[in-house]
Amino acid sequence: GQQVMQIPQYQHVQEGEDFTTYCNSSTTLSNIQWYKQRPGGHPVFLIQLVKSGEVKKQKRLTFQFGEAKKNSSLHITATQTTDVGTYFCAGLNAKNSGGSNYKLTFGKGTLLTVNP
Amino acid sequence: KAGVTQTPRYLIKTRGQQVTLSCSPISGHRSVSWYQQTPGQGLQFLFEYFSETQRNKGNFPGRFSGRQFSNSRSEMNVSTLELGDSALYLCASSLWGPQGGYEQYFGPGTRLTVT
Repeated sequence: GQQVMQIPQYQHVQEGEDFTTYCNSSTTLSNIQWYKQRPGGHPVFLIQLVKSGEVKKQKRLTFQFGEAKKNSSLHITATQTTDVGTYFCAGLNAKNSGGSNYKLTFGKGTLLTVNP
Repeated sequence: KAGVTQTPRYLIKTRGQQVTLSCSPISGHRSVSWYQQTPGQGLQFLFEYFSETQRNKGNFPGRFSGRQFSNSRSEMNVSTLELGDSALYLCASSLWGPQGGYEQYFGPGTRLTVT
């Protein structure tokens, strides 16, 4: 079945440093989504990438979708303590040729901690 | 719009008992998914319901079951509880329409402790 691998599992940075998490799928994806879960909270949808090679920015966060639509990355510039949390990617795949049934597979997430 | 709500928020049960968790999706959302989250295993997909039908299923034993009602509200049931079932159970709803809307909106979760 479809697998979504995410690395690294943990990342500790000093405030102000950059951070990147990578996501790789075993199959070509229809789209990829990113979520953030703060400690003690629940995952919150951040963004969705659909097109091959797509790049989207949200303030200090940059999201990329690979040309082959099998990998993605999230880069945070100049981390802040408010960035602490676990970042999940989730790959969407069509289950049938007609594309009427999709399956979303989450990666295991990257836990980011920031030292102030 | 009101967000996804889950009840109860906290639950303590003993081994062998059964439990039912409830989820009310965002109004208009037809897809409801359930996830189990533990520190060691991350987010594990249990099942997804769409228009009262189970459309996708994860790799969990038959003790885990669910259903969805005509108003899109969903319940999941765990029978014969085991210690390893202690986890945060998250429900997520999505629009899942012809135009897209596949992003998941998560509820606050139900923290289940099995003793």
